[in-house]
Amino acid sequence: GQQVMQIPQYQHVQEGEDFTTYCNSSTTLSNIQWYKQRPGGHPVFLIQLVKSGEVKKQKRLTFQFGEAKKNSSLHITATQTTDVGTYFCAGPPNTGNQFYFGTGTSLTVIP
Amino acid sequence: ETGVTQTPRHLVMGMTNKKSLKCEQHLGHNAMYWYKQSAKKPLELMFVYSLEERVENNSVPSRFSPECPNSSHLFLHLHTLQPEDSALYLCASSQDRDRGQGNAFFGQGTRLTVV
Repeated sequence: GQQVMQIPQYQHVQEGEDFTTYCNSSTTLSNIQWYKQRPGGHPVFLIQLVKSGEVKKQKRLTFQFGEAKKNSSLHITATQTTDVGTYFCAGPPNTGNQFYFGTGTSLTVIP
Repeated sequence: ETGVTQTPRHLVMGMTNKKSLKCEQHLGHNAMYWYKQSAKKPLELMFVYSLEERVENNSVPSRFSPECPNSSHLFLHLHTLQPEDSALYLCASSQDRDRGQGNAFFGQGTRLTVV
């Protein structure tokens, strides 16, 4: 079956430092989605990337989709304590209704 | 905050009990999902329903039984569970993926503890 891996599994940063999480799929993805789950909360949709090589920005967050549509990254510039949580990528296959989530990266921001 | 509502929020049940988790979405979506989230494990896709028809069952033990009576409601019936089934159970909905639309909207989850 489809596998979506993320690295690192955990990341601790000082407030103000940058953070990056990487997502790698064993198969080509029709698109990639990113979600954030705050501690004690549920996953919340952040963004979707569709095109090969696409880059999107949301304030301090930069999302990138690889040229081969098998990997993606999320970069946060100058982290804040509000960025704390687990970030998941999700890679639906070309057809079907499945959302297969990556293993997640748990971000801790030290004030 | 969310258009997907799950009840109950917390559930403690014995291994011989029978209980049901309920999910309701108010977003007009036609696909619904059950996920299991255990500590230090990725989100595990359990079941997928599209237009009230089960389209995916990811080798889930038969002690978990889903039911989708209409496109707005999804149930997960539980019986003779094991302690290792303790986890956060998340329901999600989306617009039909086959039309290339939509992202998943999650409910707040049911925290299940099996004793």
